[in-house]
Amino acid sequence: GEDVEQSLFLSVREGDSSVINCTYTDSSSTYLYWYKQEPGAGLQLLTYIFSNMDMKQDQRLTVLLNKKDKHLSLRIADTQTGDSAIYFCAERPLSGGYNKLIFGAGTRLAVHP
Amino acid sequence: GAVVSQHPSWVICKSGTSVKIECRSLDFQATTMFWYRQFPKQSLMLMATSNEGSKATYEQGVEKDKFLINHASLTLSTLTVTSAHPEDSSFYICSARHRSGGTVGNQPQHFGDGTRLSIL
Repeated sequence: GEDVEQSLFLSVREGDSSVINCTYTDSSSTYLYWYKQEPGAGLQLLTYIFSNMDMKQDQRLTVLLNKKDKHLSLRIADTQTGDSAIYFCAERPLSGGYNKLIFGAGTRLAVHP
Repeated sequence: GAVVSQHPSWVICKSGTSVKIECRSLDFQATTMFWYRQFPKQSLMLMATSNEGSKATYEQGVEKDKFLINHASLTLSTLTVTSAHPEDSSFYICSARHRSGGTVGNQPQHFGDGTRLSIL
């Protein structure tokens, strides 16, 4: 089946690192994504990782993929108040072709001074 | 970069009114557009996939007669919530897939900023 799970809330201090975790069920997923949603807005693609990769780094963002455990994480280094938002993990199962994205429920990141 | 415009951003109307939401790809052609619904503090649920020039494909449990989708051109898809009731109040988000598609993983869909629909 297709299911993506995330913890719902994370609170961190400004300047610390944030780690948001996600688990997915469809082993056929070719790409996995992290999206950011600010209040009242749509989704912004932050980063993605191909399923044959273990890690991807993009400036302050590091994505780790454990394909065996179907576990994905997003690490934000030096977290800033502007990083406060909801972060969605999404998988793109092979069965959906290029069309279907399955989203997790989102992790609300709160950054405090 | 690819931009998707959604209009209106906020609608408040009386129960029984039909509401149309537009989704436009501003700088690219989109053969496929997607409509999502998001309840407060919940994830995006795909409602339907809209293909230019053909009928939309609805997800299980979504009433096609309630949520009318039209994708008449490569840059515009519309979602009409017919005879809206308070339980239809939600945040509706569209996204568009670039016509060229391709095999790269980045930007499989470009998202609009959403429409908040409130039915009184």
